Amino acid sequence: EIVMTQSPATLSVSPGERATLSCRASQSVSSHLGWYQQKPGQAPRLLIYGASTRATGIPARFSGSGSGTEFTLTISSLQSEDFAVYYCQQYNGWPTFGQGTKVEIK
Amino acid sequence: EVQLVESGGGLVQPGGSLRLSCAASGFTVSSNFMSWVRQAPGKGLEWVSLIYSGGNTYYADSVKGRFTISRDSSKNTLYLQMNSLRPEDTAVYYCARVKPGDHGNVFDLWGQGTMVTGSS
Repeated sequence: EIVMTQSPATLSVSPGERATLSCRASQSVSSHLGWYQQKPGQAPRLLIYGASTRATGIPARFSGSGSGTEFTLTISSLQSEDFAVYYCQQYNGWPTFGQGTKVEIK
Repeated sequence: EVQLVESGGGLVQPGGSLRLSCAASGFTVSSNFMSWVRQAPGKGLEWVSLIYSGGNTYYADSVKGRFTISRDSSKNTLYLQMNSLRPEDTAVYYCARVKPGDHGNVFDLWGQGTMVTGSS
Protein backbone atom coordinates (compact mmCIF):
# COMPACT_ATOMS: atom_id res chain seq x y z
CA GLU A 1 0.00 0.00 0.00
CA ILE A 2 1.25 3.47 -0.90
CA VAL A 3 1.15 5.68 2.20
CA MET A 4 0.40 9.37 1.72
CA THR A 5 1.60 11.83 4.34
CA GLN A 6 0.33 15.41 4.45
CA SER A 7 1.84 18.36 6.26
CA PRO A 8 1.13 20.35 8.22
CA ALA A 9 -1.88 18.85 9.99
CA THR A 10 -3.27 22.35 10.54
CA LEU A 11 -2.40 25.56 8.73
CA SER A 12 -3.49 28.92 10.14
CA VAL A 13 -3.72 31.57 7.43
CA SER A 14 -5.24 35.03 7.17
CA PRO A 15 -7.69 35.79 4.35
CA GLY A 16 -5.83 37.04 1.30
CA GLU A 17 -2.63 35.24 2.22
CA ARG A 18 -1.00 32.35 0.39
CA ALA A 19 -1.35 28.78 1.65
CA THR A 20 1.04 25.98 0.76
CA LEU A 21 0.09 22.38 1.56
CA SER A 22 2.42 19.41 1.16
CA CYS A 23 1.84 15.76 0.36
CA ARG A 24 4.45 13.03 0.26
CA ALA A 25 4.11 9.50 -1.11
CA SER A 26 5.94 6.49 0.34
CA GLN A 27 6.95 5.52 -3.22
CA SER A 28 6.73 7.18 -6.60
CA VAL A 29 3.21 7.78 -7.89
CA SER A 30 4.38 9.59 -11.03
CA SER A 31 1.79 12.35 -11.59
CA HIS A 32 -1.15 10.23 -10.43
CA LEU A 33 -2.08 12.60 -7.65
CA GLY A 34 -5.32 14.40 -6.87
CA TRP A 35 -6.33 17.04 -4.35
CA TYR A 36 -9.76 17.37 -2.75
CA GLN A 37 -11.43 19.98 -0.59
CA GLN A 38 -13.92 18.97 2.09
CA LYS A 39 -16.07 21.30 4.18
CA PRO A 40 -17.90 20.16 7.34
CA GLY A 41 -20.88 17.95 6.56
CA GLN A 42 -20.12 17.90 2.84
CA ALA A 43 -18.64 15.41 0.41
CA PRO A 44 -15.13 15.95 -0.91
CA ARG A 45 -14.76 18.03 -4.07
CA LEU A 46 -12.08 17.33 -6.65
CA LEU A 47 -9.76 20.31 -7.12
CA ILE A 48 -6.71 18.98 -8.95
CA TYR A 49 -5.87 15.78 -10.83
CA GLY A 50 -2.77 14.67 -12.67
CA ALA A 51 -0.86 16.59 -9.96
CA SER A 52 -1.41 19.94 -11.68
CA THR A 53 -4.62 20.02 -13.76
CA ARG A 54 -7.52 21.95 -12.27
CA ALA A 55 -10.86 20.17 -12.32
CA THR A 56 -13.85 21.76 -14.01
CA GLY A 57 -14.97 24.98 -12.35
CA ILE A 58 -12.03 25.26 -9.95
CA PRO A 59 -10.71 28.82 -9.58
CA ALA A 60 -7.25 29.65 -10.85
CA ARG A 61 -6.06 30.52 -7.32
CA PHE A 62 -5.73 26.77 -6.76
CA SER A 63 -2.63 25.23 -8.28
CA GLY A 64 -0.86 21.90 -7.91
CA SER A 65 2.70 20.89 -8.57
CA GLY A 66 5.12 18.02 -8.09
CA SER A 67 5.75 14.51 -9.33
CA GLY A 68 7.18 11.29 -8.02
CA THR A 69 6.90 11.49 -4.24
CA GLU A 70 6.61 15.22 -3.43
CA PHE A 71 3.54 17.31 -4.20
CA THR A 72 2.24 20.76 -3.31
CA LEU A 73 -1.16 22.42 -3.38
CA THR A 74 -1.00 26.21 -3.37
CA ILE A 75 -3.90 28.56 -2.77
CA SER A 76 -2.61 31.91 -3.93
CA SER A 77 -4.94 34.22 -2.02
CA LEU A 78 -7.24 32.59 0.51
CA GLN A 79 -10.91 33.45 0.30
CA SER A 80 -13.39 32.85 3.12
CA GLU A 81 -14.84 29.84 1.29
CA ASP A 82 -11.41 28.15 1.13
CA PHE A 83 -11.20 27.36 4.83
CA ALA A 84 -11.68 23.60 4.84
CA VAL A 85 -9.82 20.30 5.03
CA TYR A 86 -7.71 19.28 2.04
CA TYR A 87 -6.81 15.73 1.12
CA CYS A 88 -4.33 14.36 -1.38
CA GLN A 89 -4.96 11.02 -3.07
CA GLN A 90 -2.66 8.86 -5.15
CA TYR A 91 -3.99 6.62 -7.88
CA ASN A 92 -0.83 5.04 -9.19
CA GLY A 93 -1.87 1.95 -7.21
CA TRP A 94 -5.15 1.27 -5.48
CA PRO A 95 -6.34 4.65 -4.22
CA THR A 96 -5.01 5.90 -0.90
CA PHE A 97 -5.53 9.26 0.75
CA GLY A 98 -3.47 11.44 3.02
CA GLN A 99 -4.75 12.20 6.50
CA GLY A 100 -5.71 15.75 5.55
CA THR A 101 -4.60 19.32 6.22
CA LYS A 102 -7.05 21.65 7.91
CA VAL A 103 -6.78 25.23 6.70
CA GLU A 104 -8.16 27.51 9.39
CA ILE A 105 -8.57 31.23 9.81
CA LYS A 106 -5.68 32.92 11.61
CA GLU B 1 -28.33 17.45 -13.45
CA VAL B 2 -25.43 15.08 -12.92
CA GLN B 3 -25.59 13.73 -9.38
CA LEU B 4 -25.32 10.74 -7.06
CA VAL B 5 -27.71 10.08 -4.19
CA GLU B 6 -26.90 7.44 -1.59
CA SER B 7 -29.36 5.68 0.69
CA GLY B 8 -29.58 2.63 2.92
CA GLY B 9 -27.39 3.58 5.84
CA GLY B 10 -28.38 2.96 9.43
CA LEU B 11 -27.58 1.27 12.71
CA VAL B 12 -26.62 -2.38 12.49
CA GLN B 13 -25.34 -4.82 15.09
CA PRO B 14 -21.88 -6.35 14.71
CA GLY B 15 -22.11 -9.32 12.40
CA GLY B 16 -25.12 -7.90 10.64
CA SER B 17 -25.71 -6.90 7.03
CA LEU B 18 -26.71 -3.76 5.17
CA ARG B 19 -27.08 -2.80 1.53
CA LEU B 20 -26.24 0.70 0.40
CA SER B 21 -27.64 2.16 -2.80
CA CYS B 22 -26.39 5.01 -4.96
CA ALA B 23 -28.79 6.32 -7.57
CA ALA B 24 -27.19 8.21 -10.44
CA SER B 25 -28.74 10.81 -12.70
CA GLY B 26 -27.34 12.64 -15.70
CA PHE B 27 -24.97 9.84 -16.69
CA THR B 28 -24.90 6.04 -17.02
CA VAL B 29 -23.44 4.06 -14.12
CA SER B 30 -22.62 1.00 -16.20
CA SER B 31 -20.56 3.05 -18.68
CA ASN B 32 -18.34 4.47 -15.96
CA PHE B 33 -15.92 3.27 -13.33
CA MET B 34 -17.62 3.68 -9.95
CA SER B 35 -16.41 3.45 -6.40
CA TRP B 36 -17.28 3.50 -2.72
CA VAL B 37 -15.18 5.58 -0.31
CA ARG B 38 -15.77 5.80 3.42
CA GLN B 39 -14.91 8.21 6.20
CA ALA B 40 -14.98 7.20 9.86
CA PRO B 41 -16.20 9.92 12.25
CA GLY B 42 -13.58 12.65 12.53
CA LYS B 43 -11.16 10.72 10.33
CA GLY B 44 -9.83 10.79 6.79
CA LEU B 45 -10.98 9.11 3.60
CA GLU B 46 -10.57 5.40 2.86
CA TRP B 47 -11.16 3.76 -0.50
CA VAL B 48 -13.44 0.70 -0.17
CA SER B 49 -14.28 -0.73 -3.58
CA LEU B 50 -14.26 -0.17 -7.35
CA ILE B 51 -16.28 -1.54 -10.22
CA TYR B 52 -15.08 -0.97 -13.76
CA SER B 53 -17.37 -0.55 -16.74
CA GLY B 54 -16.48 -4.05 -17.90
CA GLY B 55 -17.69 -5.46 -14.59
CA ASN B 56 -14.38 -6.21 -12.86
CA THR B 57 -14.53 -5.50 -9.14
CA TYR B 58 -11.84 -4.63 -6.62
CA TYR B 59 -11.78 -4.25 -2.84
CA ALA B 60 -9.65 -2.85 -0.07
CA ASP B 61 -8.12 -5.58 2.07
CA SER B 62 -10.13 -4.33 5.07
CA VAL B 63 -13.43 -5.33 3.43
CA LYS B 64 -12.44 -8.13 1.05
CA GLY B 65 -14.66 -11.16 1.47
CA ARG B 66 -17.29 -9.19 3.40
CA PHE B 67 -18.44 -6.44 1.02
CA THR B 68 -19.71 -6.76 -2.56
CA ILE B 69 -20.04 -3.95 -5.08
CA SER B 70 -22.57 -4.30 -7.88
CA ARG B 71 -24.80 -2.27 -10.18
CA ASP B 72 -28.22 -2.43 -11.80
CA SER B 73 -28.27 -0.91 -15.27
CA SER B 74 -32.08 -0.80 -15.43
CA LYS B 75 -32.14 1.37 -12.29
CA ASN B 76 -28.88 3.22 -13.04
CA THR B 77 -27.86 2.42 -9.48
CA LEU B 78 -24.69 1.31 -7.72
CA TYR B 79 -24.82 -0.93 -4.63
CA LEU B 80 -22.61 -2.00 -1.77
CA GLN B 81 -23.65 -5.16 0.05
CA MET B 82 -22.03 -5.16 3.48
CA ASN B 83 -21.93 -8.42 5.44
CA SER B 84 -20.29 -9.42 8.72
CA LEU B 85 -20.19 -5.79 9.78
CA ARG B 86 -17.70 -4.75 12.43
CA PRO B 87 -17.63 -1.69 14.70
CA GLU B 88 -14.66 -0.39 12.67
CA ASP B 89 -16.91 -0.25 9.57
CA THR B 90 -18.73 2.69 11.18
CA ALA B 91 -18.40 5.56 8.72
CA VAL B 92 -20.06 7.80 6.22
CA TYR B 93 -20.07 5.90 2.94
CA TYR B 94 -19.77 7.92 -0.25
CA CYS B 95 -20.29 6.66 -3.77
CA ALA B 96 -18.08 8.36 -6.29
CA ARG B 97 -17.52 8.34 -10.02
CA VAL B 98 -14.06 7.89 -11.44
CA LYS B 99 -13.32 10.80 -13.73
CA PRO B 100 -14.20 9.67 -17.25
CA GLY B 101 -11.37 9.37 -19.72
CA ASP B 102 -7.93 7.92 -19.27
CA HIS B 103 -7.17 9.82 -16.06
CA GLY B 104 -6.79 6.97 -13.60
CA ASN B 105 -8.87 6.36 -10.48
CA VAL B 106 -9.46 9.96 -9.39
CA PHE B 107 -12.99 10.82 -8.26
CA ASP B 108 -14.76 13.73 -9.93
CA LEU B 109 -18.33 13.28 -8.69
CA TRP B 110 -19.42 12.37 -5.16
CA GLY B 111 -22.72 11.68 -3.47
CA GLN B 112 -23.72 13.31 -0.20
CA GLY B 113 -22.93 10.19 1.80
CA THR B 114 -24.90 7.78 3.99
CA MET B 115 -23.99 6.95 7.59
CA VAL B 116 -23.43 3.36 8.69
CA THR B 117 -23.10 2.70 12.40
CA GLY B 118 -21.98 -0.74 13.49
CA SER B 119 -22.68 -0.96 17.19
CA SER B 120 -24.54 -3.06 19.68
